[in-house]
Order: sequence, then structure tokens, then C-alpha cells
Amino acid sequence: DAKTTQPTSMDCAEGRAANLPCNHSTISGNEYVYWYRQIHSQGPQYIIHGLKNNETNEMASLIITEDRKSSTLILPHATLRDTAVYYCIVRVGYGGSQGNLIFGKGTKLSVKP
Amino acid sequence: GAGVSQSPSNKVTEKGKDVELRCDPISGHTALYWYRQSLGQGLEFLIYFQGNSAPDKSGLPSDRFSAERTGGSVSTLTIQRTQQEDSAVYLCASSSIRTGGNGYTFGSGTRLTVV
Repeated sequence: DAKTTQPTSMDCAEGRAANLPCNHSTISGNEYVYWYRQIHSQGPQYIIHGLKNNETNEMASLIITEDRKSSTLILPHATLRDTAVYYCIVRVGYGGSQGNLIFGKGTKLSVKP
Repeated sequence: GAGVSQSPSNKVTEKGKDVELRCDPISGHTALYWYRQSLGQGLEFLIYFQGNSAPDKSGLPSDRFSAERTGGSVSTLTIQRTQQEDSAVYLCASSSIRTGGNGYTFGSGTRLTVV
């Protein structure tokens, strides 16, 4: 079972920041937080990951609370193309060969004009 | 190749027939994963190959499902005696420990429809 809890859906106005929350209260010390998104009819796409420090890349920022029990994915200026299902996943290890990803139901983000 | 390639992109088959779905992972990726996604649902893990190790088959839903990975590269997922509930998008992903935090690269999937 997925170890994360996310809201089922969220709306965001185009050009505004989208803040997607995720609860992972049972996260272990060696588990990373990963975010993927799935645009309609495509395979999931990696966005960002982190262990305990906040992270930023060209796509998004990831804010992890100090106790690591929750995190927020931030899309700073959402566009219509960011409409997708966003998955928050916790898993052991770093890199791509540490076992399968367990996907929950994710958050359906709808960016509206 | 530059990405994970899956074929066919769409497959319609009659109930009771066998189907084979193919996945070409990114060259050099040692790990390969199969997932399926039923309409409106999340991704369901099926099977995981890592190098020469025995595959993790814990997600296969029944003995009608099997998969192999030849030469550590291409993988084939076989569904025997297909049923209507097998209709879903079958997604393949590959990864390498050398990809660091970028994790997994997914293909676009094979949409299987059993009629």
C-alpha cells in the first residue's frame, strides 16, 4: 500500500503558484520523497525528490517539514500544461535501482485560465 | 534509444486469446518494471527485473500473467487467455543506479482492450 496521503483533486488559476500537499507520517529515516506527474494518456514523469532538505529544480520546488511527516510540491507559475495527476511517493534509497515505486491515487490538479 | 519504447501502442484482442506486450528500456538501464493502469485508477505494480537477479513477481495478479527479460534488455509481458478485466494501459519503466535521483523513466504504455 502507498504510504502517502494526498487530496483527491485541486484547482489552480493559470499563472499562480500551485501548492500540492502530501502526508507521509510513517516515513522512515532512509526513505526519500519523490514526486511524479502523469499527464493524460502519457506515462508518469519524474519531477523532483528529496530526503530532508528543501529542493528546487527547473520544474518545481519541494518543501519537506522538519519532522519529515509531510511535504509540499510547489509549481511556481502554473500553466494549462501542468494539468495532470501528481503522485507523492516515499521509497528507500537513492537512484533508480532500489525496488519498485508504489503509486497511490495522487492529486488531480486542474489549472484553469 | 533516448527513451523507453513500448509496442504496440494499442492492442485489441478477443477474450481468451494470448497477447504479448514489448518493452525496450533505455540502453544500459539495469532495472525494468511493469505496471498496469485501469481506467481512472492509479498504477498497479506487476513485476520488477534487476540485472541478473530473480525478478520480483509479487504484483502479478494471476498465473495467466508472465514476463521475461532477455539479455538484460528487452522485456515481454505475456497475458494468456485474456479476460475483459485485463483491459488496461500497461506501462513499462526502466532505471539505473547511475541515473541518480531522476529515478525511473516510463514509456507511453500499451493500451490493451479485451473484447
